[in-house]
Amino acid sequence: TQLLEQSPQFLSIQEGENLTVYCNSSSVFSSLQWYRQEPGEGPVLLVTVVTGGEVKKLKRLTFQFGDARKDSSLHITAAQPGDTGLYLCAGALNNNDMRFGAGTRLTVKP
Amino acid sequence: ETGVTQTPRHLVMGMTNKKSLKCEQHLGHNAMYWYKQSAKKPLELMFVYNFKEQTENNSVPSRFSPECPNSSHLFLHLHTLQPEDSALYLCASSPRVRGNTDTQYFGPGTRLTVL
Repeated sequence: TQLLEQSPQFLSIQEGENLTVYCNSSSVFSSLQWYRQEPGEGPVLLVTVVTGGEVKKLKRLTFQFGDARKDSSLHITAAQPGDTGLYLCAGALNNNDMRFGAGTRLTVKP
Repeated sequence: ETGVTQTPRHLVMGMTNKKSLKCEQHLGHNAMYWYKQSAKKPLELMFVYNFKEQTENNSVPSRFSPECPNSSHLFLHLHTLQPEDSALYLCASSPRVRGNTDTQYFGPGTRLTVL
């Protein structure tokens, strides 16, 4: 069993559609990060959330940290082909040990 | 440009070979990391270095041997690997170890195939 469960594992949608991906755990995190990894590259940080219930927006991406700081969601509005990639969540445990999920692989078709 | 470079980008080796992966960061960070990324599995943290001193070794087999000669360079020496060691090996750096809001900057990775 993985500490951070990401769902769905794979998602293929058409350009213009909306989507939400999830990152869930039974553990409490002091912070949670979302990264995007494109083919042939390493992960790149998108956002860090720290406070329970926190919502952050990055253009068409909306990130939410659960009230209990155990889960998070990423919502993309009007997806574009450039959003294609592997979305990884990473949570910091109380000792600041950072753990990653396995990721959601998103494909946005033109 | 991420500021973290890795060489080689691709490596194919036999189980009896010895090879090394190289990572260099140009960001002035104090912490450097090696991760293993396999399909459908979470990123696995292998080693952590802080000011070129190893602070973590997460039960990694001895066939993987890290070296950090200074805070900008990190190596992963490989010998007598197994086919299941085939994966993408990512190097990362951050301003400090265990900074829970710090950004980790990743290199592009080395795609390793063990025959």
